[in-house]
Formats: sequence, structure tokens, C-alpha cells
Amino acid sequence: EVQLVESGGDLVQPGGSLRLSCATSGFTFSGFVMSWVRQAPGKGLEWVSASNGGGDTTYYADSVKGRFTIFRDTSKSTLFLQMNSLRVEDTAVYYCAKGTLVGGATPIDYWGQGTLVTVSS
Amino acid sequence: DIQMTQSPSTLSASVGDRVTITCRASQSISSWLAWYQQKPGKAPRLLIYKASSLESGVPSRFSGSASGTEFTLTISSLQPDDSATYYCQQYNSYWTFGQGTKVEI
Repeated sequence: EVQLVESGGDLVQPGGSLRLSCATSGFTFSGFVMSWVRQAPGKGLEWVSASNGGGDTTYYADSVKGRFTIFRDTSKSTLFLQMNSLRVEDTAVYYCAKGTLVGGATPIDYWGQGTLVTVSS
Repeated sequence: DIQMTQSPSTLSASVGDRVTITCRASQSISSWLAWYQQKPGKAPRLLIYKASSLESGVPSRFSGSASGTEFTLTISSLQPDDSATYYCQQYNSYWTFGQGTKVEI
């Protein structure tokens, strides 16, 4: 059974940093694109970042480019999102999501339960 | 960047109705389009991929179609469990979601 379990969400001040983790199981972690998708309170879905199966190709939405970094620890089947220079508008539930292919843009077939990041003074 | 315009934003219908949600891409995305269902407080669920392919385990009353840059999600006979917000997503170039359609029963 595929499982994605996020952690690391917290209340942080503007300009601060936070690292999200997504522990995975039930599939070959290096064989699939992994993404982060966020949802601000009461709003729609926004794709944030993605990594190919090997972790050597990464993609970012313009809204987070230069501030967020996605990376993997394949030995632990864990996906991370390092978030720096956080802004109030980064407040959202952050979902870890699994793609259906090892590379390129793919649909998302599994989602975690989400972790809440609140940026506020 | 590819923009996805979804309509309507809210839809109210009765059990048994045929319901249609539309998503229009700002440029060609071939058939690289997915549809998701999201219920309050839950993660989204994949319904349709590659514009018209039904994800395993999804009821057959859900279907997708495409015509150029216009994509449609149809629920053939609305059920109480279908009350949710539906999102389209292009994955031709990076990923972009539509704004969502809330379906009320």
C-alpha cells in the first residue's frame, strides 16, 4: 500500500525558514516523480515544486523559485522541501504527492494528508 | 506559463442529474490533462488522466473528453457522494490547476 506521510508544518514568522518532510512507503521511491502541492485556507490547489525520480532534475513554481528547495533522501525514501524567506502568502496546507512516471510532467495518483504551514508575526 | 480556466465555479444539481464541468487551456496541452475530486479536509483524488482515461477504482459515471484546448468532466448520474470540489490540472508543461468547481447537491 502506497503511503505518504508529511511532517514539519508549524507556525513561523515572516522571513523565517522551515523544512517539510514526506516519508514514503509501498513503492520504489526513485522510480517516480514526487511533488509538493499547496492549498491556502479556503483556496484552490497550487503546484509548488517537483523532483524527478533520480532527484537530479527539479522544477519550481515562479512564486517559490529561489526560496524553496526540493530534495530527496533515497536511502530513507523521504522527500523534503526546504522553505526559506517565508512570506505570509506561503501560508497553506502542503501536500506531498506522487507522480505516475519517473520523469517529466505526470498526473498525481497518490497524495499525503497534508501538513499546515502558517507564516505570521 | 499555461493557464487553466475552469467553469463554472459553483454548480448546484440534483441526484440523478447529468453534470458537466469545463476546463480551457491557454495553449495546446495535447491530452495531458487530469481531473481530481477533493472533499473538505481531505487530499484530492485522481479521477481521470490523459483527458479521458478513468483511474482504477473510480465509478464509471465519471468520464472525460477533449476538443482542442477545451476539456470536459461529466458525471452521468450525480450521486450524493459526488458533493465535492473538482479540479482540472494540465501536465504538458510543469503543472497548473484550474480554479476548481464546487458541486453542491
